[in-house]
Amino acid sequence: SQQGEEDPQALSIQEGENATMNCSYKTSINNLQWYRQNSGRGLVHLILIRSNEREKHSGRLRVTLDTSKKSSSLLITASRAADTASYFCATDSSGSARQLTFGSGTQLTVLP
Amino acid sequence: IAGITQAPTSQILAAGRRMTLRCTQDMRHNAMYWYRQDLGLGLRLIHYSNTAGTTGKGEVPDGYSVSRANTDDFPLTLASAVPSQTSVYFCASSDSNLGNYGYTFGSGTRLTVV
Repeated sequence: SQQGEEDPQALSIQEGENATMNCSYKTSINNLQWYRQNSGRGLVHLILIRSNEREKHSGRLRVTLDTSKKSSSLLITASRAADTASYFCATDSSGSARQLTFGSGTQLTVLP
Repeated sequence: IAGITQAPTSQILAAGRRMTLRCTQDMRHNAMYWYRQDLGLGLRLIHYSNTAGTTGKGEVPDGYSVSRANTDDFPLTLASAVPSQTSVYFCASSDSNLGNYGYTFGSGTRLTVV
């Protein structure tokens, strides 16, 4: 079963615009992570936000977490064509096992 | 270059055949995982290992087995492949001893069972 569900499933924007992707989940979490996947490649870890954090920044990435609504958002500012990829949220709901449950992803296309 | 190596990168396999997907990491991470990725379903956990010598079942373990004889290697075996096992398989690792740490993924194995 999928813990995280991304919204929208697909997003197309112009270069320079901001891209926002949302993730909702069902159970309590230790942390929530965002990953990026370029076509035909493995996933790359982007950013992790702990359950006691509300916002985190990394370069052009901004992640928010609302545990009361069980939701998170990933904002990519000033998007570039190279940001074109699939983005996945993943929730860490377990104790010591550190198993992540992934959503089905958002396909972002940034048009030059 | 530190990371995860998966082999083969792709394979076409006849149904009923046995196959082992290889995964090796050189980061000394204690935990390793196997996921399959299917269109529209995201990634689903097949098996995991928290440390060498231990393994556990994930969300979709049926038809697959794993072993973890040492820290670096975590092979995934399909005992008798079926067409529904056609998928892209990703191996990942993490250093859970550091706590709250992200996964490192391999580049994947694209498997087609015919």
